[in-house]
Amino acid sequence: SQTIHQWPATLVQPVGSPLSLECTVEGTSNPNLYWYRQAAGRGLQLLFYSVGIGQISSEVPQNLSASRPQDRQFILSSKKLLLSDSGFYLCAWSPAGETDTQYFGPGTRLTVL
Amino acid sequence: QKEVEQDPGPLSVPEGAIVSLNCTYSNSAFQYFMWYRQYSRKGPELLMYTYSSGNKEDGRFTAQVDKSSKYISLFIRDSQPSDSATYLCAMSDLYSGAGSYQLTFGKGTKLSVIP
Repeated sequence: SQTIHQWPATLVQPVGSPLSLECTVEGTSNPNLYWYRQAAGRGLQLLFYSVGIGQISSEVPQNLSASRPQDRQFILSSKKLLLSDSGFYLCAWSPAGETDTQYFGPGTRLTVL
Repeated sequence: QKEVEQDPGPLSVPEGAIVSLNCTYSNSAFQYFMWYRQYSRKGPELLMYTYSSGNKEDGRFTAQVDKSSKYISLFIRDSQPSDSATYLCAMSDLYSGAGSYQLTFGKGTKLSVIP
């Protein structure tokens, strides 16, 4: 069966510091990968998605970036965090060729102070 | 007008009640409809997936889609305290060129089932 991991689970960072969140998927090959942010009262916002290694599409202009260095690894980064980057970050995957359903990881709660 | 509207609640019901959760949408291109359950501080969990109008049943859960009215529902029979969570509806259409579907989510309805 497939499993999706995210770490860290919780993170508190000062404004202006860098960020690196990691997501890995097990039990599948060539998945589509997604990064979402969930802010209170604002629902799920798609940030990035990837259909393959090195292929990243950005949905929202911001100071965040994403990379996919390996088939089942997806990384969300920032060089300098803003207060507005606080939120619950969720990684998701969908099977290649069956992309109408997405499966979410446990999430990372980021607080920027 | 937002693409997907979902009453945020909170909705509080006694144990054993029938719960009805709803979403309306404006984009007639949506073809796939999902319901996710999200417990506090956890990632969303896919509950139901439907395509086209009609009903789909899975245990105590029934998903209903009415494309003519652009309205979807999730019914929970014999609700349990363990059903207390936020329920998110999600919809998608074919995203041209990328081979990847994007989901449009409702903001979620928070449900509490009281013992």
